[in-house]
Parts: sequence; C-alpha cells; structure tokens
Amino acid sequence: EPEVTQTPSHQVTQMGQEVILRCVPISNHLYFYWYRQILGQKVEFLVSFYNNEISEKSEIFDDQFSVERPDGSNFTLKIRSTKLEDSAMYFCASGQTNQPQHFGDGTRLSIL
Amino acid sequence: SQQGEEDPQALSIQEGENATMNCSYKTSINNLQWYRQNSGRGLVHLILIRSNEREKHSGRLRVTLDTSKKSSSLLITASRAADTASYFCAPKAGSYQLTFGKGTKLSVIP
Repeated sequence: EPEVTQTPSHQVTQMGQEVILRCVPISNHLYFYWYRQILGQKVEFLVSFYNNEISEKSEIFDDQFSVERPDGSNFTLKIRSTKLEDSAMYFCASGQTNQPQHFGDGTRLSIL
Repeated sequence: SQQGEEDPQALSIQEGENATMNCSYKTSINNLQWYRQNSGRGLVHLILIRSNEREKHSGRLRVTLDTSKKSSSLLITASRAADTASYFCAPKAGSYQLTFGKGTKLSVIP
C-alpha cells in the first residue's frame, strides 16, 4: 500500500537556524498538509496546499513558516528562524477530494 | 473546522473484551473520520462515515453516527494488545483541515 514518507525522522537544530522538513506524499494525491504535535499535546493543523498554493492555514503558520512543492514528488515545510517552542513532531499528510488523509510517521524536530 | 471531543479520556480493558469510545461535536458535518495513533507514530485512518450514513463496519471496527445528537461511537470488538493506542475523531465540514481533540487512550492488557 502506498505510504507518505518523511525525512529525516529526527532533526536537531540550533535555535535561530533554518530547517527544512521533507515529505513525499502518495503519488496520485492532490491535497497536502502539515500538522504538528508538541510532546503530550494534541495534533494541530498548520497548513493545507492544493493546486500549488496554500488553501488554508492556522494561526501557528506565521511568516516564519513556508511550504513548497518544488517538483512533482516532494512537499517541504521550511521554518526560517527556529525557536525553542518549535520543538515538536511534524506530520505530513496527503489526500484526495472528500477522502481521508494519509499521514507519514513524522519528523521529530528538536531545537537546542 | 470543528473539533471532536472524545470520551472517555482513557480506557483500560482486558484482551478479548470490546472497547467503546464516543465522540461529540457541535455543528453540521459532511463526514466524520476516526484515526488511531500509536505512541510516537503518525495517525492512521480507520474509518470514514458520511453524514447520511448511520453505521459502518470495517473488520473488527463498528462506527455509528447520530447527526441529531451530534455524536459518534467507535466499537472495537475482541480487542488485542496491538489495539493499544490513542483514538481520535475528526468531524469534517467544508474545511480542508482536520481538527483533533485529546483523544481516547486505550490500553488493552494481555
């Protein structure tokens, strides 16, 4: 069965540095998402992406965040200047119209 | 997008027993989805029930939806230790996003 894959599984970065999290969605999916989960807390929506543009974003997704689909297969989340509070698990998901979302296993981001 | 509220927050049962968890929501939906999250892993979609459906089955899972009460339930029959996980409902209207609550943490004791 096709899967959403995320790399790296764990990323350690110094505060203030830029970080790029990578995702390969399921190939025939059209909708792409990023969520995050701070340790012990709920999974929170960050952004959705469709037709090469952001379709919806949450209050968390401020100017420090950006998303890109640089080619036909990858979907990336960039955090420009990381803060301690950005430490979390970041999940990528993809889906089709009116269908469930399929999640990757996440990237654990640790900001030092 | 609206958040579902799962109940109970935690549930501990013996292997072989059935587990029932409930979800309540506030406004009209197009569908309601149930997901599972094993510790340290991503969410796995379990079942989607549309607003015009009342019951749906998938293997050992049975989901009901009562739109008049704005509630849903997930029943796992003949539970196994591998069912130990957190379970989340996601009521969905027109928004792209899924909004998750705190979930029900299920522990199945061998």
